Amino acid sequence: KAGVTQTPRYLIKTRGQQVTLSCSPISGHRSVSWYQQTPGQGLQFLFEYFSETQRNKGNFPGRFSGRQFSNSRSEMNVSTLELGDSALYLCASSFQGMSPEAFFGQGTRLTVV
Amino acid sequence: SQELEQSPQSLIVQEGKNLTINCTSSKTLYGLYWYKQKYGEGLIFLMMLQKGGEEKSHEKITAKLDEKKQQSSLHITASQPSHAGIYLCGADPYSGAGSYQLTFGKGTKLSVIP
Repeated sequence: KAGVTQTPRYLIKTRGQQVTLSCSPISGHRSVSWYQQTPGQGLQFLFEYFSETQRNKGNFPGRFSGRQFSNSRSEMNVSTLELGDSALYLCASSFQGMSPEAFFGQGTRLTVV
Repeated sequence: SQELEQSPQSLIVQEGKNLTINCTSSKTLYGLYWYKQKYGEGLIFLMMLQKGGEEKSHEKITAKLDEKKQQSSLHITASQPSHAGIYLCGADPYSGAGSYQLTFGKGTKLSVIP
């Protein structure tokens, strides 16, 4: 059974640009959550999607957005990149009701220069 | 908002030694997750505890949940170099309805010296 797949693994962008990250959950999983990990703030929740609907949102500016498709794949977008957006972005998938575990992908390392 | 404090922040142990990592919550724990992370990589799910007094084990790792103390501990017996990494505790701040809006501690960095 394939795990959670995040693409790309590494990205370098310039300030002011925008970026789109992708997450393919484990087959059958309907919930996808996104997290930002930085050395200073640790792991912080961005948002969660379930059946194409954003169900929860963390305390991040509107430049951070996401969506989920009918096949449960999810994308997150960051517009007008700032240096402080440099981080490891992780997504997690889970199948509600059957198992409470959330499985994480390997992450996308975003560097903003 | 819920906060999780992990202690110690870092730990260096000799191979074969036992160790304990603690995770204390500022609010009631409805579900407590333990993950392991290799630097710069994704999180590997270790265990989830849901009920007070619950204890789970996987290989040489045991986790317990003390609901009254709002605390969980992770114990590794006879540590090995493969146990090295960052251990993170995460909690579901709601009623365990599976919203997966997890709050995480800052992590405990474990180094095991051969």
